[in-house]
Amino acid sequence: IAGITQAPTSQILAAGRRMTLRCTQDMRHNAMYWYRQDLGLGLRLIHYSNTAGTTGKGEVPDGYSVSRANTDDFPLTLASAVPSQTSVYFCASSEQYNQPQHFGDGTRLSIL
Amino acid sequence: QKEVEQDPGPLSVPEGAIVSLNCTYSNSAFQYFMWYRQYSRKGPELLMYTYSSGNKEDGRFTAQVDKSSKYISLFIRDSQPSDSATYLCAMSARGTDSWGKLQFGAGTQVVVTP
Repeated sequence: IAGITQAPTSQILAAGRRMTLRCTQDMRHNAMYWYRQDLGLGLRLIHYSNTAGTTGKGEVPDGYSVSRANTDDFPLTLASAVPSQTSVYFCASSEQYNQPQHFGDGTRLSIL
Repeated sequence: QKEVEQDPGPLSVPEGAIVSLNCTYSNSAFQYFMWYRQYSRKGPELLMYTYSSGNKEDGRFTAQVDKSSKYISLFIRDSQPSDSATYLCAMSARGTDSWGKLQFGAGTQVVVTP
């Protein structure tokens, strides 16, 4: 079934550790996105990529980095995790910009 | 003030009733409007997508956009317990400065009781 795969589904991490969240899509979509979802704050954009080889900052980029080496993969890295990064992280993709976005099922990350 | 406001609920309705959801927004540049449904521990799933003003119907779902009032609505007819979920509105503007950046409401939790 075509879609977005995120890994891991959940993780508990000690503060200060490095962590990479993986995202792969098989729809050949050009654009990909990372969001975090927090209670009462909704979905907030962390980083995005409109095509392979390019990335941009969203609303809450600090403490996160991304890369887009190919069309299918868009990993999100927390270089040194802090408790405020405890959240549910969603990867999304769309065929082109301003097209509806399709989401994965998220990674639940707890930073202790 | 948030760009997109959405009542968090919960909104509880009996099975078979009409569910009425809405969002208000402040950015007059928004032209693309979406509704997503999110089940517990799942990612948002696209329900409806409209461009500019007007109505769009898809089965039991109707989306309305009133740009003059900066107000969008989603109606669910003949509601079922399986419609119990959180519903998120989202919108974006044309132009490269607002490229692809969806602004989401916080979501409304809907509970349909048998």
